[in-house]
Amino acid sequence: AQRVTQPEKLLSVFKGAPVELKCNYSYSGSPELFWYVQYSRQRLQLLLRHISRESIKGFTADLNKGETSFHLKKPFAQEEDSAMYYCAPLLSAGGYQKVTFGTGTKLQVIP
Amino acid sequence: SQTIHQWPATLVQPVGSPLSLECTVEGTSNPNLYWYRQAAGRGLQLLFYSVGIGQISSEVPQNLSASRPQDRQFILSSKKLLLSDSGFYLCAWSQLAGKQFFGPGTRLTVL
Repeated sequence: AQRVTQPEKLLSVFKGAPVELKCNYSYSGSPELFWYVQYSRQRLQLLLRHISRESIKGFTADLNKGETSFHLKKPFAQEEDSAMYYCAPLLSAGGYQKVTFGTGTKLQVIP
Repeated sequence: SQTIHQWPATLVQPVGSPLSLECTVEGTSNPNLYWYRQAAGRGLQLLFYSVGIGQISSEVPQNLSASRPQDRQFILSSKKLLLSDSGFYLCAWSQLAGKQFFGPGTRLTVL
């Protein structure tokens, strides 16, 4: 079955420490992958997509096809990074593509 | 610019009562529209997906239904609410697969 796994429900790091939010997917093809973020009292929004190979707010995510992972990383965490993060691969199901959201990881940056 | 609205923001309903949650999109035409339920520890569960007026795909068997009477209007309904219908409901739209824009959400409490 096609699924996405975010193994950590809560990740707490100190300000300035590196951050890695894990995401693994099971899919036979080559999915397009996204990370969404929801800050406190704000709407869920797109953070970045892997095909853009972009760095948003210092975050990057590399697709590792061998490990079927798309971990989100930032070298130095900031307090404003505290939020809920969702990994979201675009998978094919029932003849069309749909985004499948993981269970999410809450990132807590401790000052 | 495109905007997405949901109402009401919060709703408290007794078990067995009907439900109607509305979502409207402005500034775009023929969007893909989505209803999600967000629950702690369960991530975002896709409930319904629509590619056009009157075209609804149900992702999970449930007590809810969806309709799209107009191009930019998406309605989530129930004839008789269950306690298990309580949750946070998000509407989203997209033009490109994967890049979705979310509404502010509706917090539904069924008593």
